[in-house]
Amino acid sequence: GAGVSQSPSNKVTEKGKDVELRCDPISGHTALYWYRQSLGQGLEFLIYFQGNSAPDKSGLPSDRFSAERTGGSVSTLTIQRTQQEDSAVYLCASSLGRAATIYFGEGSWLTVV
Amino acid sequence: GQQVMQIPQYQHVQEGEDFTTYCNSSTTLSNIQWYKQRPGGHPVFLIQLVKSGEVKKQKRLTFQFGEAKKNSSLHITATQTTDVGTYFCAEDNQGGKLIFGQGTELSVKP
Repeated sequence: GAGVSQSPSNKVTEKGKDVELRCDPISGHTALYWYRQSLGQGLEFLIYFQGNSAPDKSGLPSDRFSAERTGGSVSTLTIQRTQQEDSAVYLCASSLGRAATIYFGEGSWLTVV
Repeated sequence: GQQVMQIPQYQHVQEGEDFTTYCNSSTTLSNIQWYKQRPGGHPVFLIQLVKSGEVKKQKRLTFQFGEAKKNSSLHITATQTTDVGTYFCAEDNQGGKLIFGQGTELSVKP
């Protein structure tokens, strides 16, 4: 596609439920990033993929968070047993590789009630 | 751990005034990128600086990278209401992870 596509754009879920957020990067981009942004806050790094592998998972806040990328393309961020503090915008970005410009998607707004 | 500190957190200016945001690191930066995020939007890449002492301009925006590659600045001359948003600096830590500063939120009063 022309840009990074994320779905759903908005998700309201009950505390304790699992959610899956999807990211479809720009075609040909090997690097894929997930960030979290709480209201009025900066961008918190979650995880980075180069191809299908994730050399850096250090940003995942807890073991309730996991992410995978298959076929070097689409990525899914899964949050299990959601908590209210998980409410945020989850931004996906992709790039051609290290030190290349990264392009962000519109984000998935998650609200845990 | 690695941190990029950005100041100020907020800046309110009158339209036509200048604006500057600063990004500082305790370690030498391999490169620095700048992004702009409009209210309700997503970050959009503005520029990347790589060389020591580098200065780049985009119309009313001037970006600088310090001689020691430990700091960077973004200066906007004669702000306009379209400049409103949050400006982030970010560094590629050479492991592929892009570390963002906390951002400077700019508001412009017409």
